Amino acid sequence: DAKTTQPNSMESNEEEPVHLPCNHSTISGTDYIHWYRQLPSQGPEYVIHGLTSNVNNRMASLAIAEDRKSSTLILHRATLRDAAVYYCILSPPPQKLVFGQGTRLTINP
Amino acid sequence: DTGVSQNPRHKITKRGQNVTFRCDPISEHNRLYWYRQTLGQGPEFLTYFQNEAQLEKSRLLSDRFSAERPKGSFSTLEIQRTEQGDSAMYLCASSPNRGRGEAFFGQGTRLTVV
Repeated sequence: DAKTTQPNSMESNEEEPVHLPCNHSTISGTDYIHWYRQLPSQGPEYVIHGLTSNVNNRMASLAIAEDRKSSTLILHRATLRDAAVYYCILSPPPQKLVFGQGTRLTINP
Repeated sequence: DTGVSQNPRHKITKRGQNVTFRCDPISEHNRLYWYRQTLGQGPEFLTYFQNEAQLEKSRLLSDRFSAERPKGSFSTLEIQRTEQGDSAMYLCASSPNRGRGEAFFGQGTRLTVV
């Protein structure tokens, strides 16, 4: 399973953008980049995924480096409800998702 | 569709007892996954079904653990002779066959072994 590296924790302020980085230098050509988040006492929740091009959805944007060795999850305007652990996962579909430690995001009011 | 449903939500059992958890995936989702999560850690993969076939099983899963998915619908995870180290949140997820990885998770079953 290809490995990802994320900061243990990050902090941001409400209504400001948040950029969550993920390094994945050993990514293979068939690996998709997935982001999930887990709110306290909840199961993980899908956020976004991509292969090569940047992706946008109603929750977030995913910016993928040209060499695919890193990516950034962008929350455009953080709210208190975005406080969660964010996981960056590499997986060639339809393989299982292998979770790391993730980044614990704290949002200050 | 109410999403992935797991029962019970909480289970307290004495060491040495057997426990069984149930997962009802989203209708028509062919793939079903079981994960285990301990405090402060990310979910650990346990096993994976494609319809009724168990396609992968983690080395973390000892022979005390068994999972089934009869008829490719709901799934059960049984732990025999529970140990205190089995205390964790057990998460189930499902995904559609044609998806590119989007998995939907249930809220989990929290097991406490005393």
